[in-house]
Amino acid sequence: DTGVSQDPRHKITKRGQNVTFRCDPISEHNRLYWYRQTLGQGPEFLTYFQNEAQLEKSRLLSDRFSAERPKGSFSTLEIQRTEQGDSAMYLCASSSGQISGNTIYFGEGSWLTVV
Amino acid sequence: GENVEQHPSTLSVQEGDSAVIKCTYSDSASNYFPWYKQELGKGPQLIIDIRSNVGEKKDQRIAVTLNKTAKHFSLHITETQPEDSAVYFCAASTGPARQLTFGSGTQLTVLP
Repeated sequence: DTGVSQDPRHKITKRGQNVTFRCDPISEHNRLYWYRQTLGQGPEFLTYFQNEAQLEKSRLLSDRFSAERPKGSFSTLEIQRTEQGDSAMYLCASSSGQISGNTIYFGEGSWLTVV
Repeated sequence: GENVEQHPSTLSVQEGDSAVIKCTYSDSASNYFPWYKQELGKGPQLIIDIRSNVGEKKDQRIAVTLNKTAKHFSLHITETQPEDSAVYFCAASTGPARQLTFGSGTQLTVLP
């Protein structure tokens, strides 16, 4: 059983550098979500895709953040010109997108530390 | 937008006792309320969920109750075990596959 897979699990980068995270959702899940979680807080919604279409973006997603899901399968989240405030765990999740009886499954997260 | 408040922030219980975590939400359109368990360094794992057409749902030692009129829902864990120790998050959304708004979490510690 392959769940939501995220890579890398940990990333340390210098302020001002760009970083990219990859997410592979559960097979055949057409909805994919990105959340951000800081220490001691619950996850906060960033954006989601239905297949390859990005349908919603949170105000938290500044211009330095960009997410793609080019073929409706895996997704990437890129952060440009990282700032210390970007340090957090970036969670990817997926669901089958059915109207009823559906669950959002989370990956193990990608930890970002900006120094 | 939706706002979810969760209490308490920390909870310690003796092994075998019950634990109750409470959440309130603000958006009357919310109709899906999952609970997630998160262990250190891992992603959230769904443990139980409830939809607004149901008042209570139980799965072995875990139960969730929902009061739509008062806009609050609760997680009940009976016969707690040390492996129940983790951070628990409640969440709300307008549908099972829609975006989730999370509470701030409860650190549950079960003392042996």
